Amino acid sequence: EPEVTQTPSHQVTQMGQEVILRCVPISNHLYFYWYRQILGQKVEFLVSFYNNEISEKSEIFDDQFSVERPDGSNFTLKIRSTKLEDSAMYFCASKKDRVTDTQYFGPGTRLTVL
Amino acid sequence: GQQVMQIPQYQHVQEGEDFTTYCNSSTTLSNIQWYKQRPGGHPVFLIQLVKSGEVKKQKRLTFQFGEAKKNSSLHITATQTTDVGTYFCAGVDDNAGNMLTFGGGTRLMVKP
Repeated sequence: EPEVTQTPSHQVTQMGQEVILRCVPISNHLYFYWYRQILGQKVEFLVSFYNNEISEKSEIFDDQFSVERPDGSNFTLKIRSTKLEDSAMYFCASKKDRVTDTQYFGPGTRLTVL
Repeated sequence: GQQVMQIPQYQHVQEGEDFTTYCNSSTTLSNIQWYKQRPGGHPVFLIQLVKSGEVKKQKRLTFQFGEAKKNSSLHITATQTTDVGTYFCAGVDDNAGNMLTFGGGTRLMVKP
């Protein structure tokens, strides 16, 4: 069965550094999402992406965050200048089309900011 | 902003007992989704409910959407050890596009 993949599985960075988290959504899916989950807490929506542009974003997704689909297969989340409180698990998800309910989540990237 | 609350936060049950988690939204929802997350894993979509009063079943799992579309429940009959995990509801506000707001989750532990 097709899966959403994410790399790396774990990223350790120094505060103030830029990080790029990578996702490969399921190949025929059109809607893409990033979520984060701070350890032991709930999943929080960051951003949704469709037709090469952001369709919705939450208050968390401030100017430090950006998303890109550079080559038709990868979907990236960039954090420009990481803060300690950015430490979390970041999940990418994809959905086939507008009428399909199911969002498929990737395994996540654990980001640790020191 | 929209808030989605879940109770209980934790639930220990003996294998074979039933389990229910409740989800309440501060605003009317256009739809509600349920996810299961195993320890160390990622959320896995279980179901979406759209209609007022809707009830859906998946084997031992029964999902309900309230008449006012502000609350939902997930009931598991005769729990098994494979049911262990955290169950999250996630709602889409009727007036806030398609953004999912997750509840805090209910962590289910099943004693064999």
